[in-house]
Amino acid sequence: DAGVTQSPTHLIKTRGQQVTLRCSPKSGHDTVSWYQQALGQGPQFIFQYYEEEERQRGNFPDRFSGHQYPNYSSELNVNALLLGDSALYLCASFALGQAQETQYFGPGTRLLVL
Amino acid sequence: KQEVTQIPAALSVPEGENLVLNCSFTDSAIYNLQWFRQDPGKGLTSLLLIQSSQREQTSGRLNASLDKSSGRSTLYIAASQPGDSATYLCASRGTNAGKSTFGDGTTLTVKP
Repeated sequence: DAGVTQSPTHLIKTRGQQVTLRCSPKSGHDTVSWYQQALGQGPQFIFQYYEEEERQRGNFPDRFSGHQYPNYSSELNVNALLLGDSALYLCASFALGQAQETQYFGPGTRLLVL
Repeated sequence: KQEVTQIPAALSVPEGENLVLNCSFTDSAIYNLQWFRQDPGKGLTSLLLIQSSQREQTSGRLNASLDKSSGRSTLYIAASQPGDSATYLCASRGTNAGKSTFGDGTTLTVKP
């Protein structure tokens, strides 16, 4: 079991550009959440996808959007990048309705906006 | 709105010491609480998960407790080792499908 995987591992963009980050959940998991982690802080919830729909959203602007595919993999898109978007982006998955519903996190994508 | 606080922000101990990391949360109506470990520049590794109906969970040298009434959880690490050096994060989830709210973590350094 590969666990949660994310790509790419690192990314450098300039202000105003657009970026797409990808996540494959752990086998058997159907729910994917995205988090943004700034240096020295805990992860902040961006949004969650289940059954290909956005189910919950944190306090992030519409520049942040996502998608979930039938195979449960997910994408995070960020438009009009700002310097403040530089962070580690984490994807987490769990199986809704399964006992305990432990969340598993991927290794993250480090985004640097110049 | 749930707020999670971890104190202290950093902790340094000699190898072999037993230690306790603290996590407090403002809303006691949680679904579960999970402790994670994060190595520098890496993702989060799940350590222990405590359901709201449970009081504690144990895994090897780790023991996590949960007291919903006081809004507190602790992570106890026995016989600390240099390999335990990392940032430890706690996260509460409000419902079975809800988001997790994280503290900012405690960075632990275990000196040989």
